[in-house]
Amino acid sequence: KQEVTQIPAALSVPEGENLVLNCSFTDSAIYNLQWFRQDPGKGLTSLLLIQSSQREQTSGRLNASLDKSSGRSTLYIAASQPGDSATYLCAGSGGGADGLTFGKGTHLIIQP
Amino acid sequence: ETGVTQSPTHLIKTRGQQVTLRCSSQSGHNTVSWYQQALGQGPQFIFQYYREEENGRGNFPPRFSGLQFPNYSSELNVNALELDDSALYLCASRPSGRAFVTQYFGPGTRLLVL
Repeated sequence: KQEVTQIPAALSVPEGENLVLNCSFTDSAIYNLQWFRQDPGKGLTSLLLIQSSQREQTSGRLNASLDKSSGRSTLYIAASQPGDSATYLCAGSGGGADGLTFGKGTHLIIQP
Repeated sequence: ETGVTQSPTHLIKTRGQQVTLRCSSQSGHNTVSWYQQALGQGPQFIFQYYREEENGRGNFPPRFSGLQFPNYSSELNVNALELDDSALYLCASRPSGRAFVTQYFGPGTRLLVL
């Protein structure tokens, strides 16, 4: 059974800093890994999806990496802005119809 | 192209009652999944429907059931509500039955069971 852990649980940094969010998973037979953003009381917005054959994906100021052998993924946010404040969730998929397995998220606050 | 929509946005029920939550998938998406997100937790997979058939289920009891309709809208039904069922319920849709395509989530229905 896949388990996903996210560290840290919460993070507060000044605007402009580069930061890294960490995600670890127990089952290396992961089909893909996704990073989502969730604003308070809202649904999830997909940020990046990395397939098992890929090592990283980039979108604007975001870069996500995947290392299946170590069971880790990182989300790098460059030049953070107050609008980046949200909860960031990573989720792994086994590739079947078993849905996504989510971590508990990292609550990020960017101080103006 | 419309996104994923859910109704109602908020709902209050009492223990033992039954509830139906609704989801309208994004246009062209024939796979829908439902998730339960308790406060401070990540979403947990309830089940998935593809072409009107349930083809995947998480660790939820049978009192959680669903339907998917020919227009790809779907319902989540919960019978005999318990206090622990209080949560944000999210549906997500994606095209075809393949897992490598990102899922699009709706805004959720917040259910409070008293």
